[in-house]
Amino acid sequence: RKEVEQDPGPFNVPEGATVAFNCTYSNSASQSFFWYRQDCRKEPKLLMSVYSSGNEDGRFTAQLNRASQYISLLIRDSKLSDSATYLCVVNIIPGAGSYQLTFGKGTKLSVIP
Amino acid sequence: GAVVSQHPSRVICKSGTSVKIECRSLDFQATTMFWYRQFPKQSLMLMATSNEGSKATYEQGVEKDKFLINHASLTLSTLTVTSAHPEDSSFYICSVREGTTNYGYTFGSGTRLTVV
Repeated sequence: RKEVEQDPGPFNVPEGATVAFNCTYSNSASQSFFWYRQDCRKEPKLLMSVYSSGNEDGRFTAQLNRASQYISLLIRDSKLSDSATYLCVVNIIPGAGSYQLTFGKGTKLSVIP
Repeated sequence: GAVVSQHPSRVICKSGTSVKIECRSLDFQATTMFWYRQFPKQSLMLMATSNEGSKATYEQGVEKDKFLINHASLTLSTLTVTSAHPEDSSFYICSVREGTTNYGYTFGSGTRLTVV
């Protein structure tokens, strides 16, 4: 089983639509959770961290369910500029207090005019 | 947040040659840097953790003699792909983590390596 699994996508949505991405992780010892955005042939950039209480940043809402080991990202009122690949990222502690990011394969979003 | 500069952004080399990729932390002293590799339509995979002043820690399956990492200063880590082969063609990205918390990972802009 992959450590971080995401919806395969691609998601093609019209401008203004609401779109949701899901992610599951296998390591119950995972400590921190993030959504990153990666544009084509670019480096990943942090979109938002994900907290157990859920958190919102403008049009973006992230949720974490530790019991189900499930993370979600909701994008409201999609913009053309939201077109990118969204990476679910989990931070685990492999040993000796070190930290390691584990990435999902990403879900590609295309927002269509 | 930290500013990370990675160079070169793109390189094409012949099979059998070596390529050096530099990762610089411009405004932050990074005792630890991370090197990732991403093949097309795949996730970023951690190759190794670069530790300033000591040996890098390599992930399982990554050949340390092929992917040489040097982290001689708090602001510079280098990854050298030795005797490159076409299957080494990939997107290589470095990352630094600010502080000792779980947060604050910043990535370099990546290096697209093509071995012909």
